[in-house]
Amino acid sequence: GNSVTQMEGPVTLSEEAFLTINCTYTATGYPSLFWYVQYPGEGLQLLLKATKADDKGSNKGFEATYRKETTSFHLEKGSVQVSDSAVYFCALAPRRTGTASKLTFGTGTRLQVTL
Amino acid sequence: DAGVIQSPRHEVTEMGQEVTLRCKPISGHDYLFWYRQTMMRGLELLIYFNNNVPIDDSGMPEDRFSAKMPNASFSTLKIQPSEPRDSAVYFCASSLEAGAREQYFGPGTRLTVT
Repeated sequence: GNSVTQMEGPVTLSEEAFLTINCTYTATGYPSLFWYVQYPGEGLQLLLKATKADDKGSNKGFEATYRKETTSFHLEKGSVQVSDSAVYFCALAPRRTGTASKLTFGTGTRLQVTL
Repeated sequence: DAGVIQSPRHEVTEMGQEVTLRCKPISGHDYLFWYRQTMMRGLELLIYFNNNVPIDDSGMPEDRFSAKMPNASFSTLKIQPSEPRDSAVYFCASSLEAGAREQYFGPGTRLTVT
């Protein structure tokens, strides 16, 4: 079956530090990959996505590249801000239409950014 | 677009009472999902619908939980009777059949059962 593995948190960084949150996946075929962000007290928001190998998703200074050879989709940001403090979820969706369309989520990684 | 709408945003009820959570998906979306999030268990998929038909309810914890989708623009999740261990944040999400299938989440309903 499909699965997503994320690095354990919390990740604590100083403002302007470089961020990497690791995500690897197991899936049949070529899934679509996503990063979601959940700010305190809010629902999950789609941060970025990639639909095929070597695609790079980017948004708000965050980037992630779909690496088929390593089955990874690591999230990176060059300079984090206090406002980036949140929980980040990696997820995948099966590509084939007509089949179960549910996302498989990782367990989430909490990021804390301090001044 | 208004996004996924959930109501109420907060619900406090006593053990044994019936609770109904409501969701309006994004117009035109084919799929609707109900999730529960707790500190202990994280994010759990309870049930999802495709074109108003329940497809997979294997995540529904027990018979006290039921979900319906009478039309494309409305769904309910009902708990009867409610118990303190049902306290959680319940999210509704919707997505399209086509494309990358990303899901769009509502703001959630925070349920507290005393």
